Amino acid sequence: KQEVTQIPAALSVPEGENLVLNCSFTDSAIYNLQWFRQDPGKGLTSLLLIQSSQREQTSGRLNASLDKSSGRSTLYIAASQPGDSATYLCAVGGGADGLTFGKGTHLIIQP
Amino acid sequence: EAGVVQSPRYKIIEKKQPVAFWCNPISGHNTLYWYRQNLGQGPELLIRYENEEAVDDSQLPKDRFSAERLKGVDSTLKIQPAELGDSAVYLCASSFGQYTGELFFGEGSRLTVL
Repeated sequence: KQEVTQIPAALSVPEGENLVLNCSFTDSAIYNLQWFRQDPGKGLTSLLLIQSSQREQTSGRLNASLDKSSGRSTLYIAASQPGDSATYLCAVGGGADGLTFGKGTHLIIQP
Repeated sequence: EAGVVQSPRYKIIEKKQPVAFWCNPISGHNTLYWYRQNLGQGPELLIRYENEEAVDDSQLPKDRFSAERLKGVDSTLKIQPAELGDSAVYLCASSFGQYTGELFFGEGSRLTVL
């Protein structure tokens, strides 16, 4: 059974810093990996989708990488802003099993 | 383009009462998912539909939960009777394609069972 771990569980940094969120998974036989953002009381907003054949995806200040062989993904946020404060969830697509989620990283950007 | 629409956003009921949640996916998305999210946890899959067929319902507690997807579009998730442990956020998502499509989520339905 796929297990997804996100480290750290919580992170608080001053505005303007670059930061890295980590995601690891136990089964490398995946179809894709997706990063989401969740604001309090809200649903999940898709940030980036990386197919299993890809190594990275970029959107604005966000860059996500995927290393299937080592079972790792990172989400890099450049020049963080207070509006980036949210919970970031990593989810691994295993085909028939659907997406398996980590518990998330709760991020606070201090003004 | 409209996103995934869910209703109701909030529901408070007493235990043993029934409750139903409705989801309208993004137009053209053939795959629909129901997830449950407990506080501080990531979402967990309850059921996945390909068009109108439930292709993965292994995590759905079938003694009290039921779901249907009418004509391969809207879907309803029902709980009867509800238990205290069912308090959670119920999330609906949709995607185009079976395994590789990007998932888009609705705002969720927050259930509180008293």
